[in-house]
Formats: sequence, C-alpha cells, structure tokens
Amino acid sequence: QVQLQESGPGLVKPSQTLSLTCTVSGGSISSGGYYWSWIRQHPGKGLEWIGYIYYSGSTYYNPSLKSRVTISVDTSKNQFSLKLSSVTAADTAVYYCARGESPDAFDIWGQGTMVTVSS
Amino acid sequence: QSALTQPRSVSGSPGQSVTISCTGTSSDVGGYNYVSWYQQHPGKAPKLMIYDVSKRPSGVPDRFSGSKSGNTASLTISGLQAEDEADYYCCSYAGSYTFLVVFGGGTKLTVL
Repeated sequence: QVQLQESGPGLVKPSQTLSLTCTVSGGSISSGGYYWSWIRQHPGKGLEWIGYIYYSGSTYYNPSLKSRVTISVDTSKNQFSLKLSSVTAADTAVYYCARGESPDAFDIWGQGTMVTVSS
Repeated sequence: QSALTQPRSVSGSPGQSVTISCTGTSSDVGGYNYVSWYQQHPGKAPKLMIYDVSKRPSGVPDRFSGSKSGNTASLTISGLQAEDEADYYCCSYAGSYTFLVVFGGGTKLTVL
C-alpha cells in the first residue's frame, strides 16, 4: 500500500529556508486525482494546513503562508517537497506530508518530522 | 481564515455514545460537503475517520459516524471503547478560489 515518509533537517536557523521532502512508496505520485499535501502541528496545538499540489501540478496554499511557501513535485523520484522561507520560531512544528483523496480527505499520512527553528 | 470551533474536551463511559461538534460558517462547513474528521493518538499521525461529511474509509468501525446541519458538523462515536480516547479534529474545505482547507482546534475525548 502507499506510504509516505518525510525527510529533511530537524533544525533550521531563523530567516533561513525550511526544506522538506516527502517520498511516496507503493504507488505513483503521478496517478491521477490526488492532492499531495503538507500539514503542520505546533507543539501541543492543533493542525494547520500549509498547502497542496494537485496531480495536475497546480498548487494551492494557505493564504496566511502563501508568500513564503512553495510546494513542488519530482515525478522522477516519486517525491514532493516543501520550502518555507524566512522562518521564525513560530514555524517550529511537526510537519506532516499527506495524500488527499479530496480537498478535505487526507487518507494517508507520513509519520511527521519535527522541525525546530533556532539559532 | 479562523479555525473551526470544537469543544476542548468531551468524555464518556465505555459503551456510551458521545458527539463532538464542529462549527464553522457558510464559507466552509455550511458551504460544501467536504467535512472530515481525524483521530490522533499522542505522538502519532492523524488518522482519517470520516470524510465528505459522513463517509467512512475502509477499516474504520461503523461506531464512527458523521453528519452536518447548516454550519455545524458532528462526529458521533457510539459504543465507546478505551482505544477511542484521543484528540479529534474536524476539517473543512473552504473555498473554490483559494482552495483553503481549515481545521478545527481539536477535541480531547476521555473515556472514563
């Protein structure tokens, strides 16, 4: 079955760019109809949708993060990625990648990766 | 976009039923049949329990059900079991122009 795995640095300095990759195994990222998504969770807090890239390549971002976020896909590696620029301590969170069957239905999740923003 | 409003906590005894509400607006919950519910145990990734208001993914017990009335969605868990103790989050699609997705603040379910 399809599995997702996040990877990337666990520590990022303030003002730098946070970069994470989600590797998809057990299925093709190019198969149609899915929303490949990033969602984060601040320590002890709720979930926050960051954005997703539709299988067609169209991207959609949370308006509150839109100026700093880029989500892209590399079909040759079966991966999709998140870049969040100009990070501050407020970006410290567990970052999850997820597959969306529909705009709200995130049916498969990675295990999550903790990213701390600190000098 | 504000988070959807959920009660911070609910509780129930084994075998009982509990309902968790999720209140939004006509721009999200009330405007689309794209409401989902997630269960999250401590230290684990969320798990999809209900999607498109009332559909259950394969493998989710039929003790879990979802509904919607106006701007409020609800998750009902019947026949409570100890393993149902977790945080529950609602989620709604909120726009065809921005493709905004918004989550609720989460509800801690305690099985007494």
